[in-house]
Amino acid sequence: KNEVEQSPQNLTAQEGEFITINCSYSVGISALHWLQQHPGGGIVSLFMLSSGKKKHGRLIATINIQEKHSSLHITASHPRDSAVYICAVSSYGGATNKLIFGTGTLLAVQP
Amino acid sequence: NAGVTQTPKFRILKIGQSMTLQCTQDMNHNYMYWYRQDPGMGLKLIYYSVGAGITDKGEVPNGYNVSRSTTEDFPLRLELAAPSQTSVYFCASRVSDQPQHFGDGTRLSIL
Repeated sequence: KNEVEQSPQNLTAQEGEFITINCSYSVGISALHWLQQHPGGGIVSLFMLSSGKKKHGRLIATINIQEKHSSLHITASHPRDSAVYICAVSSYGGATNKLIFGTGTLLAVQP
Repeated sequence: NAGVTQTPKFRILKIGQSMTLQCTQDMNHNYMYWYRQDPGMGLKLIYYSVGAGITDKGEVPNGYNVSRSTTEDFPLRLELAAPSQTSVYFCASRVSDQPQHFGDGTRLSIL
């Protein structure tokens, strides 16, 4: 079993819909990261959070440390949100901040 | 401010050839990382560095070598290319407890 699990693996939505992507992890963490990767493109960090909730524009990330679960929400989705969304965790210990990655959620937002 | 720059963006190698993937960052980050991304898999850590002159193995180091002679540069060397090394390679850097900054990736095919 992977230490970081994402669901769903694939998601198709209509423009304007509210989208939720889930991430569960099984290790102790110091932080959880949400990343975005456009097709054929680089990887961009969206959020790093260790508790509560963060918001940036139409994107909201939440984390429940007790349940070892995080969600990424996209409000009023747009075709430009189409990308792979990757959840990653920084595990405890050491100064290296090595990340453990989920396999990603491929989101397609149709106009 | 260029961030993390990877070259080349694409490359095709023959089995047994060698090459170096270049990674440069201009943010004075002390931590640098090399990952590979295979279809359906999360990113895997190949090697990392906590500062100039210090490198260490990640999850999948076999077949690769690195060096870190300066803060800015962290090249990844493939000595004897094998088909199993066909992948997309990402370099990343970070400072302190901040999120990692990723390059745009190098798409490598070995035939």
